[in-house]
Amino acid sequence: GDSVTQMEGPVTLSEEAFLTINCTYTATGYPSLFWYVQYPGEGLQLLLKATKADDKGSNKGFEATYRKETTSFHLEKGSVQVSDSAVYFCALIHTGNQFYFGTGTSLTVIP
Amino acid sequence: NAGVMQNPRHLVRRRGQEARLRCSPMKGHSHVYWYRQLPEEGLKFMVYLQKENIIDESGMPKERFSAEFPKEGPSILRIQQVVRGDSAAYFCASSRSGGADEAFFGQGTRLTVV
Repeated sequence: GDSVTQMEGPVTLSEEAFLTINCTYTATGYPSLFWYVQYPGEGLQLLLKATKADDKGSNKGFEATYRKETTSFHLEKGSVQVSDSAVYFCALIHTGNQFYFGTGTSLTVIP
Repeated sequence: NAGVMQNPRHLVRRRGQEARLRCSPMKGHSHVYWYRQLPEEGLKFMVYLQKENIIDESGMPKERFSAEFPKEGPSILRIQQVVRGDSAAYFCASSRSGGADEAFFGQGTRLTVV
């Protein structure tokens, strides 16, 4: 069945460091891929998405590229800020109408 | 345009009581999804509804849980005779047309069973 595996945390980085959070997926065909972010005490917010192979989603300095050959959708940011501290969820939606989420990666950015 | 509204934000119930969680989708959205986030886990799909119809309830426990999305009013997730293991954050999401559309999530209801 469909599933998402993402890098376990927690991840702690210094401000302005480079961020990578790995995400791989299992699905037949061509799912749509998403990154959601959950700030403390809040719900999930869509960060970026990609709907077909080689698409790059980007938002707020974050990027992720849909790699069909490696079934991956790694999240990257060149220079993190304290305000990026949150939990990041990789997700896919395929046939049917349900999202499959990874377990989440907690990021803490220290000044 | 208000986002997805869930209430209450926090709910405490004693074992054996009923919990009713409400979700008002974004304006113009007729698809509602409920997800559960257990501690230290990702969100798990529970149920997908359109107005007056349950489309997919494959993630819903067979007993004690039910969901509805009436023609008028919010979607309701009901948990009867709650147990400690029901303690979790319950998130509702809505979308305009379902499928691969991006879904907008509410802030969640954190249920604590004591």
